[in-house]
Amino acid sequence: GDSVTQMEGPVTLSEEAFLTINCTYTATGYPSLFWYVQYPGEGLQLLLKATKADDKGSNKGFEATYRKETTSFHLEKGSVQVSDSAVYFCALSSASKIIFGSGTRLSIRP
Amino acid sequence: GAVVSQHPSRVICKSGTSVKIECRSLDFQATTMFWYRQFPKKSLMLMATSNEGSKATYEQGVEKDKFLINHASLTLSTLTVTSAHPEDSSFYICSAVGTSGFISYNEQFFGPGTRLTVL
Repeated sequence: GDSVTQMEGPVTLSEEAFLTINCTYTATGYPSLFWYVQYPGEGLQLLLKATKADDKGSNKGFEATYRKETTSFHLEKGSVQVSDSAVYFCALSSASKIIFGSGTRLSIRP
Repeated sequence: GAVVSQHPSRVICKSGTSVKIECRSLDFQATTMFWYRQFPKKSLMLMATSNEGSKATYEQGVEKDKFLINHASLTLSTLTVTSAHPEDSSFYICSAVGTSGFISYNEQFFGPGTRLTVL
């Protein structure tokens, strides 16, 4: 079945460092791809999405490009802030359902 | 806009009792609500999909008699864990898909989750 694999955390970086969180997927057809973020004590929020190959989703300085040839949707940010500390979930849509990766906890040191 | 709440945020109960968790869409009408379960350091696992006014559709392996879902109105869905046991301890998260104009079609909005601990 369809699945999402993302890098295990936790990831700890210093403020202003470059961030990459890897995500790969397995799917039949052409799913939409998502990154969700969960801040402490809050629900999941959609961070960005891409609906077709080569689309780039972006929001709040984060970017991810839908790479069909490598079945990947890696999350990147050029300069992270303490406020980016959260758990990040990669996900895909499959038959009107969302399938999530296991989540990556990101901690940013001041 | 597009806020989903859950109540309670945390509950501790004795083995054998039943626990009800509420999921509400506060500023939009939710035609479909989803219930997920999240184990520590694991991804969210979809348990069931409920549409307002109809029976929930459960995922394979989820006991429908154990996890009762009711979606009686366009703003409220409830999950009742019946005869709870310690292995039911988990983090339960709901999400909702709405129809209001400011909401993207099919985008799911998530509640903050409910931590259930069964002693």
